[in-house]
Amino acid sequence: EDKVVQSPLSLVVHEGDTVTLNCSYEVTNFRSLLWYKQEKKAPTFLFMLTSSGIEKKSGRLSSILDKKELFSILNITATQTGDSAVYLCAVEGPCTGNQFYFGTGTSLTVIP
Amino acid sequence: NAGVMQNPRHLVRRRGQEARLRCSPMKGHSHVYWYRQLPEEGLKFMVYLQKENIIDESGMPKERFSAEFPKEGPSILRIQQVVRGDSAAYFCASSHDRGQETQYFGPGTRLLVL
Repeated sequence: EDKVVQSPLSLVVHEGDTVTLNCSYEVTNFRSLLWYKQEKKAPTFLFMLTSSGIEKKSGRLSSILDKKELFSILNITATQTGDSAVYLCAVEGPCTGNQFYFGTGTSLTVIP
Repeated sequence: NAGVMQNPRHLVRRRGQEARLRCSPMKGHSHVYWYRQLPEEGLKFMVYLQKENIIDESGMPKERFSAEFPKEGPSILRIQQVVRGDSAAYFCASSHDRGQETQYFGPGTRLLVL
């Protein structure tokens, strides 16, 4: 059965710390992996990864995909209180099916 | 414990027809959220419902779209007189409670309007 597992489930850090969030997946006919940040309403799109080993960066956030080991990590450096949110990982399945499999998220709390 | 179920997974409609998308939340969850994902964009919030109540529909288009979450049965997102611009993936999520509670997402329904 296809699935996406995120770890840790929750994390509390101090401002300035660096965090690494993990997403492992078992999805047949993988197409892409997406990271979202969810604060109040809709999840905000962060990254889409399709190729292994190519890091994507946006400010203090970066992400990379390993298609051989079937996981992705999301790094946040110099964390700020505004980074507090739930970070969701979603994997898109077959090209013809376009099914999304969401993880349950990692809840990150950054304290001053 | 089955996760959030959505059906159909794929729906094809001609312009002017009605589309009905169903979402069965996780067992024990009484909060349902609907999102729309347009190509190359993130998820956009549409509506948040509790059993028999619409709590927040600020993301729902004013016309043609409606949602319900009856006491018994799944939540339904209904789109009347569909247009090509309605083609998108529609995701449903459920949670046990409001606020910071984790939302569990369904696999989505892909609507294609011809």
